[in-house]
Amino acid sequence: QKEVEQDPGPLSVPEGAIVSLNCTYSNSAFQYFMWYRQYSRKGPELLMYTYSSGNKEDGRFTAQVDKSSKYISLFIRDSQPSDSATYLCAVLNTGGFKTIFGAGTRLFVKA
Amino acid sequence: ETGVTQSPTHLIKTRGQQVTLRCSSQSGHNTVSWYQQALGQGPQFIFQYYREEENGRGNFPPRFSGLQFPNYSSELNVNALELDDSALYLCASSLGLDEQFFGPGTRLTVL
Repeated sequence: QKEVEQDPGPLSVPEGAIVSLNCTYSNSAFQYFMWYRQYSRKGPELLMYTYSSGNKEDGRFTAQVDKSSKYISLFIRDSQPSDSATYLCAVLNTGGFKTIFGAGTRLFVKA
Repeated sequence: ETGVTQSPTHLIKTRGQQVTLRCSSQSGHNTVSWYQQALGQGPQFIFQYYREEENGRGNFPPRFSGLQFPNYSSELNVNALELDDSALYLCASSLGLDEQFFGPGTRLTVL
C-alpha cells in the first residue's frame, strides 16, 4: 500500500466551477499535510499546509484534513483557466525531513 | 520565480556513466532536499542536507550521493546510471515549511 494515494485524473471542469481534489494516506502518525501545484516544465510550488485536523483557507483555496478517515482535500472556488496544472498532495514523515507525495491529479479548467 | 536554480536543464547520458546535477538554493536557506520525479508520478524523496550534513535519506541506493556547500549550493551525484534513472530531478531549498521553494528541475535521459 502506498503511503499517499491520489487519483491521477485527469479532471476537466468549466471555468467558475468548484474543484475538489482528494487524497488518502496510510499512517495515522502523520501530522503535516501539504498541497502543491505544478505547472508543466516547472517545479512544484507549495500552496498551503495544514497541521493536524481542520480547515485552512487562502483566497480561493481551502485545504481540509480529516484524520479520523485519513483523508485530505483541496477545494478551489471559482476555478480559472490559470488553475490548470497538476496538484500534488503530500505529507511530512514523522521524522520531519521527508515529504511523501501522491501521484498528482491533472486539472484542466476550460474557458 | 523562485530564487532556486538548477543546472543543467537537460542532460543525456548512457547507461553506466556518472552524472552530477547542481542546485543553487535561496540565500539563507540551510536545508536542501533532492527528489526524483518520473513521468506522470509525484516526486520521490532522495535525501536531505541540513548545514552540509545528510539529514535523512529515502529508499535510493548508495550510488545516489550528494553534497551541500557553505555557499547555499548543492549537488546530486549518480553513479553507474541505469535506464530507470531517467526522470526529472528536483531540488528544494527551505527554511522550515513556511519557506520552501523548488527549482525547475533537471531532465535526465539515460540511453
